[in-house]
Amino acid sequence: EPEVTQTPSHQVTQMGQEVILRCVPISNHLYFYWYRQILGQKVEFLVSFYNNEISEKSEIFDDQFSVERPDGSNFTLKIRSTKLEDSAMYFCASSGGRLETQYFGPGTRLLVL
Amino acid sequence: AQTVTQSQPEMSVQEAETVTLSCTYDTSESDYYLFWYKQPPSRQMILVIRQEAYKQQNATENRFSVNFQKAAKSFSLKISDSQLGDAAMYFCAYRSAVLSRNSNYQLIWGAGTKLIIKP
Repeated sequence: EPEVTQTPSHQVTQMGQEVILRCVPISNHLYFYWYRQILGQKVEFLVSFYNNEISEKSEIFDDQFSVERPDGSNFTLKIRSTKLEDSAMYFCASSGGRLETQYFGPGTRLLVL
Repeated sequence: AQTVTQSQPEMSVQEAETVTLSCTYDTSESDYYLFWYKQPPSRQMILVIRQEAYKQQNATENRFSVNFQKAAKSFSLKISDSQLGDAAMYFCAYRSAVLSRNSNYQLIWGAGTKLIIKP
């Protein structure tokens, strides 16, 4: 069964460093998403991406964040200058259509020191 | 704005018994989707079940079923014949289906219920 994959599974970085989280969505899906989950808190939407552009973003998704689909398979989330409060689990998801079910990857656990 | 509330931070059930997890939501929309996702200790988010608001029939997936009460804005998950592998955090989520809006891509999440299975 096709699945969303994410790399790395864990990342530790120093405050102020740039990180890139990578995702490979399900191959025939067209809509891509990033969510984050700070430990003990609700899952929060960051951004959705379709047709090579951002379709929706939350207040969390400020200028420190960017997304890109550099080739036909990868979907990346970049955090330019990490802060302590960026420590969270980051989930990538994809869906085949705008209103279709979103399928999630296993997440990347980011720890900012 | 839409909100999702899960009022049970933790529930426990004896193996092989049935348990019901509660979820309520608030929306002014008539067209939407509701989901239950499971997050085991591995922290992967796994879809359990999906319900379209326009469907009166409650969704079922094997041992998992929902009780969808649209007027009451309630969407509970029933797990029958609980198994040790069901132990996880369970999240209820809402998604708008109003196509005229340009902001219905995101899932809106509840705080989760931790389900403990007692052997």
